[in-house]
Formats: sequence, structure tokens, C-alpha cells
Amino acid sequence: AQSVTQPDIHITVSEGASLELRCNYSYGATPYLFWYVQSPGQGLQLLLKYFSGDTLVQGIKGFEAEFKRSQSSFNLRKPSVHWSDAAEYFCAVGRSGGGADGLTFGKGTHLIIQP
Amino acid sequence: DAGVIQSPRHEVTEMGQEVTLRCKPISGHNSLFWYRQTMMRGLELLIYFNNNVPIDDSGMPEDRFSAKMPNASFSTLKIQPSEPRDSAVYFCASIRRGINGELFFGEGSRLTVL
Repeated sequence: AQSVTQPDIHITVSEGASLELRCNYSYGATPYLFWYVQSPGQGLQLLLKYFSGDTLVQGIKGFEAEFKRSQSSFNLRKPSVHWSDAAEYFCAVGRSGGGADGLTFGKGTHLIIQP
Repeated sequence: DAGVIQSPRHEVTEMGQEVTLRCKPISGHNSLFWYRQTMMRGLELLIYFNNNVPIDDSGMPEDRFSAKMPNASFSTLKIQPSEPRDSAVYFCASIRRGINGELFFGEGSRLTVL
């Protein structure tokens, strides 16, 4: 069975600083990987996804993520965070290879932005 | 286009009562998912439907939980009887199956069972 680990429960970053959120997955085949963001009281919004091809994927709001098969990782990055980036971030892997059969989520990383 | 619509947004009920959560997926989407989010367990997939047919309900915690999708534009998740441990945020999500489909989430139904 697939699984996703987000080792950091909380991360605090100063506004304007760079950000990296870690994600490790366990999956037997080529994974379909996703990052979602959840603001308080809201649903989840897709930031970016990796299906195949270029291992560096660009998403919305200035985020990017890099798929590293050798490390089973899909870390999320942003060069300069804004106060509005404070939220909960979830990494997910597609069940049975694709997202259409549902996603398995990590426990999330809570991002705090310091002024 | 309207997104995934869930109701109610908030529900407070007493233990033993029946709870019904509702979801309207995005028009044209042919798969629908129910997730539960708690602090302890994170986001868990409860059940999903393809073309209104339940495909995998292995995540449904017990027989007190049931879900239906009578047509392509409506689904319900029912808990009967409810218990305090069912308190959580329940999300509905939908997707158009195919290459590069994106899973869209509703804003959730926050359930509190006293």
C-alpha cells in the first residue's frame, strides 16, 4: 500500500525567506504526486502535480516541486514566502498510480509566517 | 463554474442522532470521493464512486456509515447512530476521470457530535 510522510508538523519561516517542505512517499510503481494547500476553514486547493516528464514542476502561487525517484521525495519549494502563504500543506500520492482512484495524503505541514 | 458544493457547512448534534451530509459534484465529473479529516488521523478516504457506482468503501469505519449516489449530481454520507468519535470535517471531492484530471474539493462539513 502507498503511504506519504511529511516529517515536519510545523515550520516557521520569515516573510521573504525561502521555503522547502519535505515529502517522502512509498509506492511500488511510478507515482502520481500532488501538493495541496488548505487555508483555515477551507477545502484543499491543488498547487501542483507530477505525472511524468520533467522532474521539476511549476505550480500556482509561485510554488515548485522536484520529484527525486532515488530519494522517494517530492519536496515543495518557494523562493520567497508571503504572509498569505500561511496555511496547511498536504503532499499526496495517487492510489493505483493515478489520482482518479483517490489520493493518499500525508498528515500535513502547518506553515507559519513570521513578519 | 460552481465548485463542489457541500451542505451543511456545520452540524452539531447529539450522540445517537442520525446525520446526513450532502454533496453536489462539479458538473461533468464522473468520480466522487468522501474524505474525513481529523487531527489524529489526517485525511482518510472513506468511499468513492465512479459513474454513481460505489467502487471502494474499504475506508468506511463501520456499519454506522453509509453513502449513496443516486445520480451524477448528488451524493450523501449518512451516519446512524452518530457517536462523539465521528466528530471531524468531512470533505467531498470530484474529478473527471482521464489524463491529467484534477481532484476538486468542497469546503467541507464540520460535524460535532456531543
